[in-house]
Amino acid sequence: GAVVSQHPSWVICKSGTSVKIECRSLDFQATTMFWYRQFPKQSLMLMATSNEGSKATYEQGVEKDKFLINHASLTLSTLTVTSAHPEDSSFYICSAFRDTNQPQHFGDGTRLSIL
Amino acid sequence: QKEVEQNSGPLSVPEGAIASLNCTYSDRGSQSFFWYRQYSGKSPELIMFIYSNGDKEDGRFTAQLNKASQYVSLLIRDSQPSDSATYLCAVIMGNQFYFGTGTSLTVIP
Repeated sequence: GAVVSQHPSWVICKSGTSVKIECRSLDFQATTMFWYRQFPKQSLMLMATSNEGSKATYEQGVEKDKFLINHASLTLSTLTVTSAHPEDSSFYICSAFRDTNQPQHFGDGTRLSIL
Repeated sequence: QKEVEQNSGPLSVPEGAIASLNCTYSDRGSQSFFWYRQYSGKSPELIMFIYSNGDKEDGRFTAQLNKASQYVSLLIRDSQPSDSATYLCAVIMGNQFYFGTGTSLTVIP
């Protein structure tokens, strides 16, 4: 099956730090990548949708200046949490999507803890 | 408004029983349907996809699709404790993905 690699898997850092998370599709070219956030015992929450070479589309309520998304190639998207604070602590998950009618393939997620 | 609905559960079944998970969707024109399993603290993983009306079997899993009723289900036969997880239904509607909120399944040994 399709493989999506997400790094790092766990980050602990001080408040005010910026954190970059990478999402790579290893065996297919992803036309679209998605970024989700999930709090404990809650549903996936879509943060933004990114297409290669264009600006990401953010969901309502997600600050685009805080959560910077770059989709530089068909195999790589990055999410940067700028000036992270404890309330940004969460489980961040990316997924990659190849084509119409195909499934999303998820990375393993990044657990972010801001002290 | 496009929606995918699932019973949040929790659903509890004894080991060896059949677990039945249900999902309804709002867009009659939808063509692609997926089931994901998410263990606690992990990311979702794709376990089944179905595009045509009827049943699709893969090991202990059977996906059932009824487009006329806008209903897709997942049956898990011979349920095992390792099947305990949240199951997410996903539907592509209008070229966009929509996830249900998931059904929590617990298989009791």
